[in-house]
Amino acid sequence: AQKVTQAQTEISVVEKEDVTLDCVYETRDTTYYLFWYKQPPSGELVFLIRRNSFDEQNEISGRYSWNFQKSTSSFNFTITASQVVDSAVYFCALSARGGSNYKLTFGKGTLLTVNP
Amino acid sequence: GAVVSQHPSWVICKSGTSVKIECRSLDFQATTMFWYRQFPKQSLMLMATSNEGSKATYEQGVEKDKFLINHASLTLSTLTVTSAHPEDSSFYICSASGGRGHYGYTFGSGTRLTVV
Repeated sequence: AQKVTQAQTEISVVEKEDVTLDCVYETRDTTYYLFWYKQPPSGELVFLIRRNSFDEQNEISGRYSWNFQKSTSSFNFTITASQVVDSAVYFCALSARGGSNYKLTFGKGTLLTVNP
Repeated sequence: GAVVSQHPSWVICKSGTSVKIECRSLDFQATTMFWYRQFPKQSLMLMATSNEGSKATYEQGVEKDKFLINHASLTLSTLTVTSAHPEDSSFYICSASGGRGHYGYTFGSGTRLTVV
């Protein structure tokens, strides 16, 4: 069975602060994919990143960066110099084989509020 | 990029009636469709997985007679909430995967269902 844990339910920061959202996952599969999604108040899920289990290279995209560590089964997400527009719920998700289909399992999400 | 169109974006219906939600992949063939349900301030919970031309596989606890899923073509899947009740009010999101399995999941924009 797959499981994703986002221990931080809510985080509140002031604009320009850096913030890290934690994600810990569990799976018995050796091949799996990890994702981060952003969900603004409109509800639509915005894809941020996908990382496969064989690629532990960290990635940076503008103000966003991701740290993938298989040794600790973590896939943390850092926003540098946060902005008000970053306020949203962020979901970490794991895709691993569940039966005959690859299922996407979501964490409970972290509500990030960036205050001006 | 891959686009999934979900309609309607919101619907209000009377208790006891049925509501159909459509999910269309516009520029790729969706071999697998996933349907999620999200209650306010909660995570996305997978309801069912459907492969084109096959019966849907429902997650434990999801009533298959209440949530009818049809995936008759590679570009269209529908979720029908039958005999809706107020407790069915929720945000429903579809996700399509096109042949590449877990490599990519494209999400619809969601449907907010309110049963009065």
